[in-house]
Amino acid sequence: SAVISQKPSRDICQRGTSLTIQCQVDSQVTMMFWYRQQPGQSLTLIATANQGSEATYESGFVIDKFPISRPNLTFSTLTVSNMSPEDSSIYLCSVEAGGETQYFGPGTRLLVL
Amino acid sequence: GQQLNQSPQSMFIQEGEDVSMNCTSSSIFNTWLWYKQDPGEGPVLLIALYKAGELTSNGRLTAQFGITRKDSFLNISASIPSDVGIYFCAGSNYGGSQGNLIFGKGTKLSVKP
Repeated sequence: SAVISQKPSRDICQRGTSLTIQCQVDSQVTMMFWYRQQPGQSLTLIATANQGSEATYESGFVIDKFPISRPNLTFSTLTVSNMSPEDSSIYLCSVEAGGETQYFGPGTRLLVL
Repeated sequence: GQQLNQSPQSMFIQEGEDVSMNCTSSSIFNTWLWYKQDPGEGPVLLIALYKAGELTSNGRLTAQFGITRKDSFLNISASIPSDVGIYFCAGSNYGGSQGNLIFGKGTKLSVKP
């Protein structure tokens, strides 16, 4: 399994601002993913981030709102732009570890006021 | 789109009791995964299933990949207080959006000592 860390672990932000979340993995991985988990809800995939190519966004998520970087095989960032209270969620990164299995980071808890 | 129906939504049981939860789908999946999420943490992979009919154990946990590839169950035997948390099933079908795990809505387990 992979060891995944995320920064920040939590943040409180003002509406209209942006927050960049970092995800670091202890080994090189091809596929990294970003999920959103709204309060009391399940996980929804935002986008898939592969190194060397543009991120692939799921329906309902756009690059202008959630720009993603993937500069190397162990690191990715997700930015939540122009935040509103509806963006208050847990944001999770995950990595694919073979066999369609994914391991998750601890999450970033975001509260937008 | 693909959806997973996970039941029950919540369970409140006595310590020592066995627990059973399941997920069903109208679509076929190639992989079934079971995760546990503790408060303030990211989901932790419990069991991964890759073949229809596969039965896999991890300590007191047992999960099966349904023969029709449209369902899976997770059993926990002799529950203990640390089993408390939210359990999510997830299905993967790389024939669709690569890397896209479809998550159930979760089963919240409470254990009374």
